[in-house]
Amino acid sequence: KNEVEQSPQNLTAQEGEFITINCSYSVGISALHWLQQHPGGGIVSLFMLSSGKKKHGRLIATINIQEKHSSLHITASHPRDSAVYICAAKETSGSRLTFGEGTQLTVNP
Amino acid sequence: NAGVMQNPRHLVRRRGQEARLRCSPMKGHSHVYWYRQLPEEGLKFMVYLQKENIIDESGMPKERFSAEFPKEGPSILRIQQVVRGDSAAYFCASSPSTGFGTSGSWNEQYFGPGTRLTVT
Repeated sequence: KNEVEQSPQNLTAQEGEFITINCSYSVGISALHWLQQHPGGGIVSLFMLSSGKKKHGRLIATINIQEKHSSLHITASHPRDSAVYICAAKETSGSRLTFGEGTQLTVNP
Repeated sequence: NAGVMQNPRHLVRRRGQEARLRCSPMKGHSHVYWYRQLPEEGLKFMVYLQKENIIDESGMPKERFSAEFPKEGPSILRIQQVVRGDSAAYFCASSPSTGFGTSGSWNEQYFGPGTRLTVT
């Protein structure tokens, strides 16, 4: 069992739909990252959070420490949101990140 | 303030050659992390360095791989005697610190564009 698990692995949506990607982790963490990897391969850090909720534009990230679960939401999705979304847990015991396998999101016009 | 820079972006090596991947962290960042993404797989931690020190190399293969982050200059990930299985995207990330603050932003890791290594 992976220490960080994401669901779904693949997600196809129509433009404008509300999207949720889930991340569960089994290790103790000090923070959780949400990353975006575009088809060209570059990685962009979207959020880093340790509690509660963060919002940036159409993106919202939430985390429930007790349940060891985080979600990434995209409101009013757009084809340019098509990418792989990766959650990564920063363990309390060190500085390394442990990554989920990623969620491939495709938003169709 | 330029972001994390990696070069080369693409590197082709024949089996048995050496590969050197460079990472220049963001200005003011003294912590560097290297990650590897094998084809069709997720990212995996390799090594964490501070200036002149290796802090955590638990993700590094035991042989042929080494990393350094000298007092001056970029961090280098070196792969000796490359094999086809080394073909992957290698990403580095940097952060100003590892401590945790209320905003969370000052230990956030910022990723470089990656180096795609192809071993023929």
